Amino acid sequence: GENVEQHPSTLSVQEGDSAVIKCTYSDSASNYFPWYKQELGKGPQLIIDIRSNVGEKKDQRIAVTLNKTAKHFSLHITETQPEDSAVYFCAASAYSGAGSYQLTFGKGTKLSVIP
Amino acid sequence: SAVISQKPSRDICQRGTSLTIQCQVDSQVTMMFWYRQQPGQSLTLIATANQGSEATYESGFVIDKFPISRPNLTFSTLTVSNMSPEDSSIYLCSGQGIRWGNTGELFFGEGSRLTVL
Repeated sequence: GENVEQHPSTLSVQEGDSAVIKCTYSDSASNYFPWYKQELGKGPQLIIDIRSNVGEKKDQRIAVTLNKTAKHFSLHITETQPEDSAVYFCAASAYSGAGSYQLTFGKGTKLSVIP
Repeated sequence: SAVISQKPSRDICQRGTSLTIQCQVDSQVTMMFWYRQQPGQSLTLIATANQGSEATYESGFVIDKFPISRPNLTFSTLTVSNMSPEDSSIYLCSGQGIRWGNTGELFFGEGSRLTVL
């Protein structure tokens, strides 16, 4: 089955700096890579995703890059703000039919943005 | 995005009892899943809730311990049976929707935080 490794487990940055979280996956059939943000006491929130036919995707201060050859993908947050402080999870999945992707999650990165 | 409602949001339970968590989504979905998140840990898939049939369980999870129902497209329940302190976790309901063009996006509820004494 799929195995997703995520690094670092914790990350502290100064407000305004950039943050980068990296993930690797093992199953070359995986073709969907979402990122989730989980604030304390809340459920995970989908913030951005990328599919295998795309190398990079941006949404305002957030970007994700994918290198299928190396089987790794990364989340980039620019101009970090205190409200970006949360736990971030990457995930990988292959399409399994009938509109379904079964996700395998990384272990999470606790991001702290210091004002 | 979908709105996924879970209840209870939290509960404190006694060892040996059972608790049922309810999940309601605001639109038709193709797939509903139940995840467990132990304190400070990642998300582990318990099972896929299948409409009108038995759920599909992942390795390490069994129907007797985690019975699941899904009587229609937008509602599912997870029961945690004969609870022990090791079952103290956040239980998360999630859904993938046909409404979003089969994009595969997975949305989560806010979770049900169970503490077993």
